[in-house]
Amino acid sequence: ELKVEQNPLFLSMQEGKNYTIYCNYSTTSDRLYWYRQDPGKSLESLFVLLSNGAVKQEGRLMASLDTKARLSTLHITAAVHDLSATYFCAVDMSSGTYKYIFGTGTRLKVLA
Amino acid sequence: KAGVTQTPRYLIKTRGQQVTLSCSPISGHRSVSWYQQTPGQGLQFLFEYFSETQRNKGNFPGRFSGRQFSNSRSEMNVSTLELGDSALYLCASSFFILTSYNEQFFGPGTRLTVL
Repeated sequence: ELKVEQNPLFLSMQEGKNYTIYCNYSTTSDRLYWYRQDPGKSLESLFVLLSNGAVKQEGRLMASLDTKARLSTLHITAAVHDLSATYFCAVDMSSGTYKYIFGTGTRLKVLA
Repeated sequence: KAGVTQTPRYLIKTRGQQVTLSCSPISGHRSVSWYQQTPGQGLQFLFEYFSETQRNKGNFPGRFSGRQFSNSRSEMNVSTLELGDSALYLCASSFFILTSYNEQFFGPGTRLTVL
């Protein structure tokens, strides 16, 4: 059974600091996604990573995928308060259809 | 282009009742998936429909069922509600192309409270 683990579960950081969220998964997959969720809101797509070595950047966020290590990272550079949210990674279990297995989520709080 | 819409947004039911939730995908999207989000279990996959056929199912009891209509709109039904069914139910849609990947877009969710 595919397991997707994120760490840390909670992250409190000062504005301007850098940090990395880790997403480990237990079986082979080359499709990984990162989502953001604000309190009481739905999931907002951040990154789609579809191959080994994929790296994508948007503003202060950068995501990467290492399929051999079964690891994805979400790096936050010079955090700002607006990045406070819960971040989820998700791995696509099936080929040709959609069955995402989500990580536990990382609740990020950026302190001014 | 309108996003994924879900109705109702909030729902309060009592144990033993049944409930039906509705999802309208983005225009042109033919794949619809459902997820349950709870504080204890996180985000869990319920099922996925494409062209009115269920293609994938998660590990949920038979009380949870769904269907998709010819216009791609989908409904999910939960019968004999239990307190543990209280959750945010999220619907996601995608324009599926066999030879390519298309990401899922999530709706705002339906918050179900079972008393």
